[in-house]
Amino acid sequence: EAQVTQNPRYLITVTGKKLTVTCSQNMNHEYMSWYRQDPGLGLRQIYYSMNVEVTDKGDVPEGYKVSRKEKRNFPLILESPSPNQTSLYFCASVAGVTGELFFGEGSRLTVL
Amino acid sequence: GQNIDQPTEMTATEGAIVQINCTYQTSGFNGLFWYQQHAGEAPTFLSYNVLDGLEEKGRFSSFLSRSKGYSYLLLKELQMKDSASYLCAVRDRSGGSYIPTFGRGTSLIVHP
Repeated sequence: EAQVTQNPRYLITVTGKKLTVTCSQNMNHEYMSWYRQDPGLGLRQIYYSMNVEVTDKGDVPEGYKVSRKEKRNFPLILESPSPNQTSLYFCASVAGVTGELFFGEGSRLTVL
Repeated sequence: GQNIDQPTEMTATEGAIVQINCTYQTSGFNGLFWYQQHAGEAPTFLSYNVLDGLEEKGRFSSFLSRSKGYSYLLLKELQMKDSASYLCAVRDRSGGSYIPTFGRGTSLIVHP
């Protein structure tokens, strides 16, 4: 079954404690992307990747890092989380022909 | 980048028809997507338009006019389960990314 898997689904953490949200896809897609979703602001792109070792900033990259060492995985790293990073995060991979996005189930992060 | 505008909220009656509009400004239009998102869940793909005209898929249809920078999503025979957010997303080739940018979404409330 084609899917995008994110972990953890829910996390409560404290300011400054590094965390990683993993994302894995099994569709061999080249493009992947991270979004955060906040009430009234919609889905905003954090980082995206066009292929292994190729990443670029989206609209709201501050406070985040990503890596793409293998095609299937695209982890999101918060080196020093702050309360303004409390949000719902989605990872997505992109079908090559149509550009359709396949989303993970989301990760709800709370930073205290 | 793109400037994507859609109404924040709409209400409609079960069994009726509703049209959700989306306007956009982009320098290198390369496709428009509609996604449906139920509260707390991941967005799911509804439609993709890259040429002018109407694409029909069951109860849902999507229209595009590239010259006017305008699209709409038409939902017929509304059901209670259609209560959700509807996200318009536009892909712009001039930005170098293959990944679309999202509008803030339209929250549709269907009442009996």
